[in-house]
Amino acid sequence: DAGVIQSPRHEVTEMGQEVTLRCKPISGHDYLFWYRQTMMRGLELLIYFNNNVPIDDSGMPEDRFSAKMPNASFSTLKIQPSEPRDSAVYFCASSYGGAITNEQFFGPGTRLTVL
Amino acid sequence: EDQVTQSPEALRLQEGESSSLNCSYTVSGLRGLFWYRQDPGKGPEFLFTLYSAGEEKEKERLKATLTKKESFLHITAPKPEDSATYLCAVHSSASKIIFGSGTRLSIRP
Repeated sequence: DAGVIQSPRHEVTEMGQEVTLRCKPISGHDYLFWYRQTMMRGLELLIYFNNNVPIDDSGMPEDRFSAKMPNASFSTLKIQPSEPRDSAVYFCASSYGGAITNEQFFGPGTRLTVL
Repeated sequence: EDQVTQSPEALRLQEGESSSLNCSYTVSGLRGLFWYRQDPGKGPEFLFTLYSAGEEKEKERLKATLTKKESFLHITAPKPEDSATYLCAVHSSASKIIFGSGTRLSIRP
């Protein structure tokens, strides 16, 4: 299995631009998570989906952030407009077995830099 | 407010020198406590999930334990390849997942 796939691996953009991060979870997994990691705030859960349905988006920092999961094999996290404080590593993770406490498999992350 | 605190922030050990990492938590109903390992430039890698006080799990040189207020990750006779950041996280009854800031572990040969 290829594991969780994220693209792009690195993204550099200018303030005000739209940024779209992509994630392909492991086939058969029913949970998908989006995280953000910074030195100051550590790893933060932004949103998670169960069977393609958003369950908890209380971690999404503001309305500039949105996430979708149109099908079981694809999810996007969009930031519009982007700001320098959005610079971070964004991780996607997936898990299976019907329980949020099951093992999560993380992708390699997307390093976002907003200038 | 739900909170997870890990200590120490950093720990340097000699190869073979056993020690423990601490994860203290305050949550509104614990549904599960996770331990992850993270290597530089990579995503976290799952180690354990603990569900109730008194539970213990082991994997190679690592052993995780859980009480009502904290969890310990014991490392026995560590090797240089155990060097990483170890993250603790809790899943609360409010369906929140909260991570601690991690412990950076360095094992000298």
